[in-house]
Amino acid sequence: GENVEQHPSTLSVQEGDSAVIKCTYSDSASNYFPWYKQELGKGPQLIIDIRSNVGEKKDQRIAVTLNKTAKHFSLHITETQPEDSAVYFCAAYILTGGGNKLTFGTGTQLKVEL
Amino acid sequence: DAGITQSPRYKITETGRQVTLMCHQTWSHSYMFWYRQDLGHGLRLIYYSAAADITDKGEVPDGYVVSRSKTENFPLTLESATRSQTSVYFCASGSGPPNTEAFFGQGTRLTVV
Repeated sequence: GENVEQHPSTLSVQEGDSAVIKCTYSDSASNYFPWYKQELGKGPQLIIDIRSNVGEKKDQRIAVTLNKTAKHFSLHITETQPEDSAVYFCAAYILTGGGNKLTFGTGTQLKVEL
Repeated sequence: DAGITQSPRYKITETGRQVTLMCHQTWSHSYMFWYRQDLGHGLRLIYYSAAADITDKGEVPDGYVVSRSKTENFPLTLESATRSQTSVYFCASGSGPPNTEAFFGQGTRLTVV
């Protein structure tokens, strides 16, 4: 089955700096890669996703890049703000024949310090 | 209110007892999932369901039972709770491919003593 590795497990940045979280996946058939944000005491919520036919996607301060050859993808947050502090999960998914099962990484605790 | 709700939010139970965690969604999503969240392991899929009366095992199904008699409900039962099942449990739902977003509930924190 799919295996997703995520690094780092914790990340501390100063407000206004950029943050980068990296993930690798094992199954070359995976073709959909979402990122979820989990705030304290809440369930994860989708913030951005990318499909395998695209190399990069941006949404305001958030961007995701995908390198299919190397089987890794990254989340980039620019101009970080205190409200970005949360746990971030990457995931990989096979859109066809995959049984609709998202495989998650182990999470990154991001702390944005004032 | 529309959305996905889990109950209870917190539960303490004793080893060997049966406990059921409830999940209800109002979107009529065909897919529903149960995950457990443990430090260092992220979110691991326990069971999922593609439609009413259709369920399938995920990564860590042992010790758990699910049912899906109605589209909107997906209860998770621990038949004989063990301390290793102490965790935070999340239910999620989604409309399925090609729309793959999963909507998560608030979670149930279960402690087995």
